[in-house]
Amino acid sequence: SQKIEQNSEALNIQEGKTATLTCNYTNYSPAYLQWYRQDPGRGPVFLLLIRENEKEKRKERLKVTFDTTLKQSLFHITASQPADSATYLCALDRGSTLGRLYFGRGTQLTVWP
Amino acid sequence: EPEVTQTPSHQVTQMGQEVILRCVPISNHLYFYWYRQILGQKVEFLVSFYNNEISEKSEIFDDQFSVERPDGSNFTLKIRSTKLEDSAMYFCASINSGNSYNEQFFGPGTRLTVL
Repeated sequence: SQKIEQNSEALNIQEGKTATLTCNYTNYSPAYLQWYRQDPGRGPVFLLLIRENEKEKRKERLKVTFDTTLKQSLFHITASQPADSATYLCALDRGSTLGRLYFGRGTQLTVWP
Repeated sequence: EPEVTQTPSHQVTQMGQEVILRCVPISNHLYFYWYRQILGQKVEFLVSFYNNEISEKSEIFDDQFSVERPDGSNFTLKIRSTKLEDSAMYFCASINSGNSYNEQFFGPGTRLTVL
């Protein structure tokens, strides 16, 4: 079965720095890889999606890279702010029309002032 | 902005009881999902639903689980005889087409506590 690992359970950084989160997967390569934000007691909120034939995607202060050779995605938040503190989930989509997602356990990011 | 809603926000039940979790997906969406998240664990897929039938289900979704879209708006998850290990957050999600590179819109979740 698909296995998804996110580099660490927790990441603490200072405001203004760049946060880099890692997602590694095994077995088959997904067609798409998505990143979600989850706040305590809330549902995941979509942030970015990258396709297997894309190397990089950006949205405002967010950047995602996708390396199918390394089976890895990196998620960057530049100029981080305390409001960015949350758990970030990596989710793999095999590309079927049904959109079932396989989630990693997430990385809890804390940005301190 | 349209959003997925779920009720109740918290459900407490006794082991062996039936529970029904309700979701109202975004109105023009066609594909619906249930996921669960045990405290401290990852979000896990349960079932997908399209055109009034189950499209795919995981090994978690056994005979005790069922889903239904009883009318044009609600999407329900029923657990017939709850177990302690069913305690989790249950999330409903939807997308507006079968094109899987659409983002999934998640509801706020129902916290199910089985005593």
